[in-house]
Amino acid sequence: KQEVTQIPAALSVPEGENLVLNCSFTDSAIYNLQWFRQDPGKGLTSLLLIQSSQREQTSGRLNASLDKSSGRSTLYIAASQPGDSATYLCAVRSAAGNKLTFGGGTRVLVKP
Amino acid sequence: DGGITQSPKYLFRKEGQNVTLSCEQNLNHDAMYWYRQDPGQGLRLIYYSQIVNDFQKGDIAEGYSVSREKKESFPLTVTSAQKNPTAFYLCASSLDSGQSRHQPQHFGDGTRLSIL
Repeated sequence: KQEVTQIPAALSVPEGENLVLNCSFTDSAIYNLQWFRQDPGKGLTSLLLIQSSQREQTSGRLNASLDKSSGRSTLYIAASQPGDSATYLCAVRSAAGNKLTFGGGTRVLVKP
Repeated sequence: DGGITQSPKYLFRKEGQNVTLSCEQNLNHDAMYWYRQDPGQGLRLIYYSQIVNDFQKGDIAEGYSVSREKKESFPLTVTSAQKNPTAFYLCASSLDSGQSRHQPQHFGDGTRLSIL
């Protein structure tokens, strides 16, 4: 059974510092890995999707890497801003079955 | 604009009552999903449907039921058998058919269910 873990559960940084968010998964047989942002009381916004054959994806200040063999993904957010404060969730789509398994999320606070 | 609409935004349930959460999408997506989110936790899959008139149980289906009579709609009923229904419920959809399993999931804004 796929298990996804995100450490740390919460993170607080001063504005301008780079953010590094970690996601690990137990079964490397995956279709893809997706990073989401969730604001309080809201749904999820998809940030980046990395296919199993890819090593990284970039969108603006965001960069996500994937090391499938070690079961790890990292989301980098450059030059953080107060507007980046949110909960970030990673989810893995396993090759066996057609569903996502989510991590518990990392709650980020960027202080001005 | 295409998207996923969940209603209502807030819902209250009395003891012994069934309640139904609505989820509609106009993205022409094949697959739809229902998740439950408890405070400070990730999402857990309740039910999913890959095609009209077909659906499968997720990890926590007990106490819930769904239907998929139309491609655009995937309502979730929280029955009285669900003893701890207070949570944030999220609906999602994706273009998943055949070789298109690499598509991302898109989410609605959620329904918050509370017990009276």
